[in-house]
Amino acid sequence: DTGVSQNPRHKITKRGQNVTFRCDPISEHNRLYWYRQTLGQGPEFLTYFQNEAQLEKSRLLSDRFSAERPKGSFSTLEIQRTEQGDSAMYLCASSPVQGGTDTQYFGPGTRLTVL
Amino acid sequence: GQNIDQPTEMTATEGAIVQINCTYQTSGFNGLFWYQQHAGEAPTFLSYNVLDGLEEKGRFSSFLSRSKGYSYLLLKELQMKDSASYLCAVRGQDTGFQKLVFGTGTRLLVSP
Repeated sequence: DTGVSQNPRHKITKRGQNVTFRCDPISEHNRLYWYRQTLGQGPEFLTYFQNEAQLEKSRLLSDRFSAERPKGSFSTLEIQRTEQGDSAMYLCASSPVQGGTDTQYFGPGTRLTVL
Repeated sequence: GQNIDQPTEMTATEGAIVQINCTYQTSGFNGLFWYQQHAGEAPTFLSYNVLDGLEEKGRFSSFLSRSKGYSYLLLKELQMKDSASYLCAVRGQDTGFQKLVFGTGTRLLVSP
């Protein structure tokens, strides 16, 4: 098991451009989460999936943000018309459905810089 | 909603013991997690508490008191590599029992 992977690791874009990030969870993990982290802060929840169903979206997630998990495996997070305030580390995590701990394991993140 | 407080920064000496406190408020508490995060890297799971008491894992221990809304992470025999941020996160009924709500993290600096 290679853990959660995310691509790209770094993305620099100009304001107004669209970007898409990919997350591959630990295999057999049903739940997948997206968080955003800015410097000096803890991760903030954006959205999560159980299998292919998107079960919750944070109010932080404006209509410029969309996430998908079409086959219940990998997920993509797209940001349209990026703004400088979108600059952050975007973290993906996955967890099994164990009915108990359901520990979330994080990927290395995608660092987005919007110029 | 949830409110999670932890100190911003702590310093300690190699070989010493340090305790990082976390207080929280949440409805329908359903677990508290500690993660370690080195600069520029992803959070790494350290411990999970859902019942009152102490959980020990090698040099790291975590304690929970649900009635007081309080937890601490205890790091023993500190090593230089323990210099990192330590994140306290809770899960509760008002989060739908799934998402984690994180504190801002405690930056620990271990000096020789």
